[in-house]
Amino acid sequence: DAGVIQSPRHEVTEMGQEVTLRCKPISGHNSLFWYRQTMMRGLELLIYFNNNVPIDDSGMPEDRFSAKMPNASFSTLKIQPSEPRDSAVYFCASSFYAGVDTGELFFGEGSRLTVL
Amino acid sequence: GQQLNQSPQSMFIQEGEDVSMNCTSSSIFNTWLWYKQDPGEGPVLLIALYKAGELTSNGRLTAQFGITRKDSFLNISASIPSDVGIYFCAGQLRGSARQLTFGSGTQLTVLP
Repeated sequence: DAGVIQSPRHEVTEMGQEVTLRCKPISGHNSLFWYRQTMMRGLELLIYFNNNVPIDDSGMPEDRFSAKMPNASFSTLKIQPSEPRDSAVYFCASSFYAGVDTGELFFGEGSRLTVL
Repeated sequence: GQQLNQSPQSMFIQEGEDVSMNCTSSSIFNTWLWYKQDPGEGPVLLIALYKAGELTSNGRLTAQFGITRKDSFLNISASIPSDVGIYFCAGQLRGSARQLTFGSGTQLTVLP
């Protein structure tokens, strides 16, 4: 079975450029999470969606970050304009939620972003 | 910021040895989970704990949910080379809906 699919796996860009990260959750999962991982701050939740609706975006660093989930099988995380401090590994994770939260998330392989 | 204190930060052990790592917090958690991350991969769930005092095993792994709800430990018995990786504790704070808070990770190296 296909897991969470993220693209691109690696991206190197210059400061000021727009970056778009993509995620395809596991089929049948109704919750999707975007995390950022850095050495300094570890794994941080940026935003999560339930049934394609953003539920909590309090972790989104600032207005330069935006996330969308136009349908159950696709989500994007966009950074515009990008800055060097945005360099990190961005993970997408999905789960199935039916009222009882097990806490189990299925992570993708991550998108490593480097902003020069 | 981080609300989970995970220790140790790194461990170097000989193959066959047992390993123990733990997480503590000043806050009460409803759920404790342990994830493992291999290089270039996303974290994968190892064990989930849902009740205070719960002790759960998964093969050579054993984890416990502290009675106070503020701590958890993970033990790995008879370590093998494929145990190498970063181990993260994670928890759901009481009243935090579906958000998971992750610890800073324990980097485990198993020497032959």
